[in-house]
Amino acid sequence: EAEVAQSPRYKITEKSQAVAFWCDPISGHATLYWYRQILGQGPELLVQFQDESVVDDSQLPKDRFSAERLKGVDSTLKIQPAELGDSAMYLCASSRDRGYEQYFGPGTRLTVT
Amino acid sequence: RKEVEQDPGPFNVPEGATVAFNCTYSNSASQSFFWYRQDCRKEPKLLMSVYSSGNEDGRFTAQLNRASQYISLLIRDSKLSDSATYLCVVNSDSNYQLIWGAGTKLIIKP
Repeated sequence: EAEVAQSPRYKITEKSQAVAFWCDPISGHATLYWYRQILGQGPELLVQFQDESVVDDSQLPKDRFSAERLKGVDSTLKIQPAELGDSAMYLCASSRDRGYEQYFGPGTRLTVT
Repeated sequence: RKEVEQDPGPFNVPEGATVAFNCTYSNSASQSFFWYRQDCRKEPKLLMSVYSSGNEDGRFTAQLNRASQYISLLIRDSKLSDSATYLCVVNSDSNYQLIWGAGTKLIIKP
């Protein structure tokens, strides 16, 4: 069964440092999502790609967060500089197209100290 | 009013019982609906898609009530392993945006 890959699984970083997450979606999936989830809450969409284009980044804190999907396949999410409030689970998901079922990777648990 | 609302619970249910919970949505133009299951500190996993009037998968039944704008999830003969948080997701057809509820926590007790 095809899966979404994410790395690293865990990341501890000090505030003001840069951190990056990587995601490889299910092959052939056109839509890729980055979410942030705080314990006890639902996932919060940060950015959505359709192939290599950003279609929704309205909730992405653009002063410190950036995301790219240059070839329309894998994607990176970067935070620079990290802040204490960024500690959360960062989830990547993909779907065959917009509006279809999403499949999630295992997530990256970020702790900012 | 939130776009997608769920009772956070927890629902404490004895093993073998039937449990149901709802998810209400505000956008009447929504066209597709999903239930996900999430275990503590794990990623959400797709449980069921609800495209029309509802569907059933083993012990799980999902139904859509368009008139009252809610979807429901029914779990029969509940197992200890059903303990998890259940998240509903609603697709807004106008812009394909998926809106997530905050989840309902279910605890099945022996």
